[in-house]
Amino acid sequence: EVQLVESGGGLVQPGRSLRLSCAASGFTFDDYAMHWVRQAPGKGLEWVSGISWNSGSIGYADSVKGRFTISRDNAKNSLYLQMNSLRAEDTALYYCAKDRRLLWFGELFDYWGQGTLVTVSS
Amino acid sequence: DIQMTQSPSSLSASVGDRVTITCQASQDISNYLNWYQQKPGKAPKLLIYDASNLETGVPSRFSGSGSGTDFTFTISSLQPEDIATYYCQQYDNLPRYTFGQGTKLEIK
Repeated sequence: EVQLVESGGGLVQPGRSLRLSCAASGFTFDDYAMHWVRQAPGKGLEWVSGISWNSGSIGYADSVKGRFTISRDNAKNSLYLQMNSLRAEDTALYYCAKDRRLLWFGELFDYWGQGTLVTVSS
Repeated sequence: DIQMTQSPSSLSASVGDRVTITCQASQDISNYLNWYQQKPGKAPKLLIYDASNLETGVPSRFSGSGSGTDFTFTISSLQPEDIATYYCQQYDNLPRYTFGQGTKLEIK
């Protein structure tokens, strides 16, 4: 059974940093691209960032480019999101999501974690 | 960037009703359109991929159609457990993904 478990969320002041983690199990982690998708309270879904199987291809939404860094450790079956210079508008539930396509970026997200909440406020 | 316009934003229907949600892309996206269901307090779940393909294990009352710029998601006979928010999602110039604004479905 595929499981994605996010952690690392919390309350942080504007301008500070936070690192999210996603522990994956139930599939061959290093065979798939992975993503972060967020959802502001009461709002819709927004793709944040994605990383290919070997970290060779990475993408970011314009809203986080230059502030967030995605990474993965295939030996630990883990995905990360380093979030710097946080803003109030980054407040959201952050989901880790598995890509369906082998190795490179595909067209959809077939498994999602339950999310970790990030609140940016003074 | 391709924009997705999903409508309606909310919908109230009775059990057994046929429910339709639309998603319009700002430019031709072929069949690169997926539909997700998100129940309250839960993560999204994939229902339909490539505009019209039913994900394994998803009930056949769910269906999708369309290509180009106009897409439709249909529940043929609404069930109480279908109460959720539904999102369309497109992809272009991978990795770049856009979701529609969502449609909140309620029982009348």
